[in-house]
Amino acid sequence: ETGVTQSPTHLIKTRGQQVTLRCSSQSGHNTVSWYQQALGQGPQFIFQYYREEENGRGNFPPRFSGLQFPNYSSELNVNALELDDSALYLCASRAGTSGTDTQYFGPGTRLTVL
Amino acid sequence: TQLLEQSPQFLSIQEGENLTVYCNSSSVFSSLQWYRQEPGEGPVLLVTVVTGGEVKKLKRLTFQFGDARKDSSLHITAAQPGDTGLYLCAGAFYAGNNRKLIWGLGTSLAVNP
Repeated sequence: ETGVTQSPTHLIKTRGQQVTLRCSSQSGHNTVSWYQQALGQGPQFIFQYYREEENGRGNFPPRFSGLQFPNYSSELNVNALELDDSALYLCASRAGTSGTDTQYFGPGTRLTVL
Repeated sequence: TQLLEQSPQFLSIQEGENLTVYCNSSSVFSSLQWYRQEPGEGPVLLVTVVTGGEVKKLKRLTFQFGDARKDSSLHITAAQPGDTGLYLCAGAFYAGNNRKLIWGLGTSLAVNP
């Protein structure tokens, strides 16, 4: 148990639809990162939020967007879903932006796009 | 472009054997982390190495950071079925004021009883 929760656990959508995934950070953590992990591969960084502002982004198109709320919980929104968006979406929280801060991962949301 | 190559990609061994997983890059990292991930769960941090040449031990796991902070290895002694999982390395670096983390593709380890 890392104290990071994600919802829903599993989700099935069709091409062109929109999806919102949610993450509750570990208490006291003000930094949240979102990752996409395809089957059998390592996580790919989508973006990071620090104190409600995006402060880093990976190579993902603008249809991937996010929000962080005052309680530091976070959302990942994906518009115009494509088949290749099928993956495990992970969020990770940590207490700061230092290079050695430990980040704690949630269990992930498994998204399937048909 | 920062790249982190992890090898081997797959490893299937018998209980009691030793193994080493490698993580290599041409880039220098401020720190490097090793994670273990089980099916249906998120990665769990095993260790963070920061100093070039650093060696850290976690029971039967030994982690080493290269002197130049470009590579790292994970050695498991006398592997057990409970060690089965996906082992991931992740290197941290700064792009301006932003801390970035790049990931290897992972080593899928199966330890057979």
